[in-house]
Amino acid sequence: QKEVEQNSGPLSVPEGAIASLNCTYSDRGSQSFFWYRQYSGKSPELIMSIYSNGDKEDGRFTAQLNKASQYVSLLIRDSQPSDSATYLCAVRPSGSARQLTFGSGTQLTVLP
Amino acid sequence: GAGVSQSPSNKVTEKGKDVELRCDPISGHTALYWYRQSLGQGLEFLIYFQGNSAPDKSGLPSDRFSAERTGGSVSTLTIQRTQQEDSAVYLCASSLVAANNEQFFGPGTRLTVL
Repeated sequence: QKEVEQNSGPLSVPEGAIASLNCTYSDRGSQSFFWYRQYSGKSPELIMSIYSNGDKEDGRFTAQLNKASQYVSLLIRDSQPSDSATYLCAVRPSGSARQLTFGSGTQLTVLP
Repeated sequence: GAGVSQSPSNKVTEKGKDVELRCDPISGHTALYWYRQSLGQGLEFLIYFQGNSAPDKSGLPSDRFSAERTGGSVSTLTIQRTQQEDSAVYLCASSLVAANNEQFFGPGTRLTVL
């Protein structure tokens, strides 16, 4: 079983719609959760971090965390073609390790 | 301010040669990480440096891989006797040492082993 799982997609949504990206993780003690956006041929860019249960909003992005269900999601409101990218979910496992464990990413396409 | 920088951006080498990849973290960031991303693979952790502490080398795939960090800043990842399976994008990230552990990535070095 993979430690961090994401639907690989591709996920297509029309411009202006809400895109919903999901991620589950296996380490129940994980404390820190991140969403990265990666454009083709580029490196990952941090767009959201979340540490406690509930929602965290930043502009058009909302991260949601449910530790009991070991589930984290990213909502993108008013999706734009420029949001088309691969979105990576990353988790810092429990314990002293600082490195992140990444999911394989969900490819999002926003159709004009 | 300046982000994480990496050099070279691209490196093509022949099988069996040694390569050195460089990373310069964000100023003031004491934690530095190396990851690699292969085609069709996720991001794979390689090694982590924190200040003057011994590095966490648990992700290095073989003893052909090594890394050092001089003066708590610039890091060099060395791959000896490169193999074709070493072809990947090597990414460096840095973070402040804090509970939140937000990591910021450099542009990466694309390594191609012929």
